[in-house]
Amino acid sequence: EPEVTQTPSHQVTQMGQEVILRCVPISNHLYFYWYRQILGQKVEFLVSFYNNEISEKSEIFDDQFSVERPDGSNFTLKIRSTKLEDSAMYFCASTRRGVDEQFFGPGTRLTVL
Amino acid sequence: ILNVEQSPQSLHVQEGDSTNFTCSFPSSNFYALHWYRWETAKSPEALFVMTLNGDEKKKGRISATLNTKEGYSYLYIKGSQPEDSATYLCAEGGYQKVTFGTGTKLQVIP
Repeated sequence: EPEVTQTPSHQVTQMGQEVILRCVPISNHLYFYWYRQILGQKVEFLVSFYNNEISEKSEIFDDQFSVERPDGSNFTLKIRSTKLEDSAMYFCASTRRGVDEQFFGPGTRLTVL
Repeated sequence: ILNVEQSPQSLHVQEGDSTNFTCSFPSSNFYALHWYRWETAKSPEALFVMTLNGDEKKKGRISATLNTKEGYSYLYIKGSQPEDSATYLCAEGGYQKVTFGTGTKLQVIP
C-alpha cells in the first residue's frame, strides 16, 4: 500500500542552523501539508501546498520557514535559522483531493539545542 | 466554539465496553470533519472524513456522526478491544487548512 515517507526520522541541530526536512508524498496525490506537534501540545497546521504554490499558511509559518517541491516527488520544509522552540515532531501529509482523508508520514523529530 | 475541542481528554474502559467521544468545532465556515486514530510511535491514521450535516460513517466497530448546525461530531467504538487503545484526533477543515483538537486518549483494559 502506498505510504508517505519522511527523512530523517530524527534531526538534532544547533540553534541558528538551517534544517531541511524531507517528505515523499504518495505519488498521485496533489495536496501536501506540513504539521508539527510540540511535546504535550496539539498537532498544529503549518502550511498547505497545491499546484506548486502555498495555499494557506499559519501564523507559525513565518519568514524562517519555506516549502518546496523541487522535483515532482519530494516535498521539503526548510527552517532557515532554527530556534529552541522549533523543537517538535514534524509531520508531512498528502491527499489526492482536498476533501479526502489525509495520509500522514511517520514524522521527523527535530531537536534544537 | 472558537477552536476544535475534544472531550474527554482521556478515557479508560474495560475490554468489551462501548464508548464514545465528542468533538466540538466552530459551526460557521465548516468544510469537513476528520477523525484520526493515532497509536504511539506511529503516524495518525485516517478513520473518517465527513462533510454533510447528518453524515454517519462506519468502519467495523467504529462509527461517527456529524452535526454541522450545532458544531459537533461523535465517535463511537462498540465492544472496545485492547488494540483500540490509541489517541483519537478530530480535525476540522479542508484542502487549505486543517485545525486539530487535542485528542482523546483511550486505554482499553483487558
